[in-house]
Amino acid sequence: GQNIDQPTEMTATEGAIVQINCTYQTSGFNGLFWYQQHAGEAPTFLSYNVLDGLEEKGRFSSFLSRSKGYSYLLLKELQMKDSASYLCAVRDGNFNKFYFGSGTKLNVKP
Amino acid sequence: GAVVSQHPSRVICKSGTSVKIECRSLDFQATTMFWYRQFPKKSLMLMATSNEGSKATYEQGVEKDKFLINHASLTLSTLTVTSAHPEDSSFYICSARPIETSGRKIEQFFGPGTRLTVL
Repeated sequence: GQNIDQPTEMTATEGAIVQINCTYQTSGFNGLFWYQQHAGEAPTFLSYNVLDGLEEKGRFSSFLSRSKGYSYLLLKELQMKDSASYLCAVRDGNFNKFYFGSGTKLNVKP
Repeated sequence: GAVVSQHPSRVICKSGTSVKIECRSLDFQATTMFWYRQFPKKSLMLMATSNEGSKATYEQGVEKDKFLINHASLTLSTLTVTSAHPEDSSFYICSARPIETSGRKIEQFFGPGTRLTVL
């Protein structure tokens, strides 16, 4: 089976840095994705890791450790518009299916 | 960027009726499309994988006779919720995976979702 864990909710201050963790145990692995989802909208792609290490993309960075089954999404210089749910998704190695964690709701306060 | 559309965006129907939801990739071809269901304040649950030209693959616990999937072409997949009941009310989201090209990372692009309410 697939097991992907994320914290349910986090709160951070505008301008600060926040790290959202994701741990996974899956039967196969072919990449880890992070998506942002605002309420009532479809998820939008943020980042992708398939090899260990850090991928940086503007204010967003994502890290992966395959041996530990661990990833995090780092958001810098937080803005109010970053308030959203952040979904961690693992792509299955065999069938290229995506399995999602329960999502982390981030609240950015002034 | 790649665009995926869904139609309708919202639908309200009576219990016992069937509802069809379309998922289209507008500017790319997709041999594989995925259908997800999302309950309020919950994450996406993969329902099935739709493959062009072959039968859909359903996840454990998803009734294939209840949720009929047809992948008619490289740009269109449909999900039909048959004999809908109030417990089928949910947010249904599709995604499409572009045909792989050399050097391109494999990702999926999501449609905007369809809000189904069954009375």
